[in-house]
Amino acid sequence: DAKTTQPTSMDCAEGRAANLPCNHSTISGNEYVYWYRQIHSQGPQYIIHGLKNNETNEMASLIITEDRKSSTLILPHATLRDTAVYYCIVRETGTASKLTFGTGTRLQVTL
Amino acid sequence: DAMVIQNPRYQVTQFGKPVTLSCSQTLNHNVMYWYQQKSSQAPKLLFHYYDKDFNNEADTPDNFQSRRPNTSFCFLDIRSPGLGDAAMYLCATSRDRGTEQFFGPGTRLTVL
Repeated sequence: DAKTTQPTSMDCAEGRAANLPCNHSTISGNEYVYWYRQIHSQGPQYIIHGLKNNETNEMASLIITEDRKSSTLILPHATLRDTAVYYCIVRETGTASKLTFGTGTRLQVTL
Repeated sequence: DAMVIQNPRYQVTQFGKPVTLSCSQTLNHNVMYWYQQKSSQAPKLLFHYYDKDFNNEADTPDNFQSRRPNTSFCFLDIRSPGLGDAAMYLCATSRDRGTEQFFGPGTRLTVL
């Protein structure tokens, strides 16, 4: 699976959009971009995934650049409950099972 | 609600004393995983079951074993826990290989 690079930490004011970047310059054509988050002392939680088109669900939006070498997770209106470590993971679907977690971005949402 | 349940949430064992952690799921998923997460680190996959087929990661120590007696339950056995095995142990499930994984709350293991 391709390696990802994320900033170590970010701050966001409550009510504002949180934009979390991820670089995955070695991504291959059959690899998806997945985002999970882990709130303190809880198990990771699936957020969203995509291949090349932008994706949106009730939790977030995922913007993938045209060359697929980077992506941005957008939380449109961050709340204090969104404070967590956010992991960007690149993996194949189908036969692959492994989630290889990187160091992630620690997002702190403040009042 | 369908979910992944881990018991106990906190487990204390003594150095060298075997310990078993439990995971159950009501999602009827085919795949069950065990991850180890040490303090301030990211989760790391130990092994997974696809139905009854066991798949071990190459760097998982022999000290760690797993059992899956049926679809709903999966156990992690640590035969002789060392101080370095103190960690959060996370169970996850997915409908199939490569689909989204759903995690339980984890069991925090302390080794004295």
